[in-house]
Amino acid sequence: GDSVTQMEGPVTLSEEACLTINCTYTATGYPSLFWYVQYPGEGLQLLLKATKADDKGSNKGFEATYRKETTSFHLEKGSVQVSDSAVYFCALRPRGSQGNLIFGKGTKLSVKP
Amino acid sequence: NAGVTQTPKFQVLKTGQSMTLQCAQDMNHNSMYWYRQDPGMGLRLIYYSASEGTTDKGEVPNGYNVSRLNKREFSLRLESAAPSQTSVYFCASSEAGLVSYEQYFGPGTRLTVT
Repeated sequence: GDSVTQMEGPVTLSEEACLTINCTYTATGYPSLFWYVQYPGEGLQLLLKATKADDKGSNKGFEATYRKETTSFHLEKGSVQVSDSAVYFCALRPRGSQGNLIFGKGTKLSVKP
Repeated sequence: NAGVTQTPKFQVLKTGQSMTLQCAQDMNHNSMYWYRQDPGMGLRLIYYSASEGTTDKGEVPNGYNVSRLNKREFSLRLESAAPSQTSVYFCASSEAGLVSYEQYFGPGTRLTVT
């Protein structure tokens, strides 16, 4: 079945460091891809999305590009801030589904001042 | 506009007790979902409702029942709680018919079963 694999954490970075969180997927057809963020004690919020190959999603300085050839959707940010500390989830929606999302296990990011 | 709301925020149950988790959305979304979140497991879909009047099983439905009371409300019931159901439960909603199917999440219910 469809699945999402993302790099295990936790990831600890200093402020202004570069961030990459790897995400690869297995799916039939062309799924939609998402990154969600969960701040401590809160629910998940959509960070960015891409619905077709070569689309680039971006928001709050984060970017991810839908790469069909490598089945990847890596999350990147050039300069992280302490306020970016959170858990990040990669997810896919299978094409033709009822809207169900399949999530990766999450990557916890801690940014130190 | 409150988005997705869930009650209660916290609950402690003894093994064998029952309870209902409530979820409501005010975005006029057709689809609603229940997930559980466990450490190192990500989120797993319990049940979903693609539209009012329909419900379907997700990845981990055993031990749960759901009711789509109306378009706004989608409840999750534990008939006889077990320690394995200790988890954080999230409700979500989304539009139907859109390619992106963005889901909006509630703040969660933290349930402990002793």
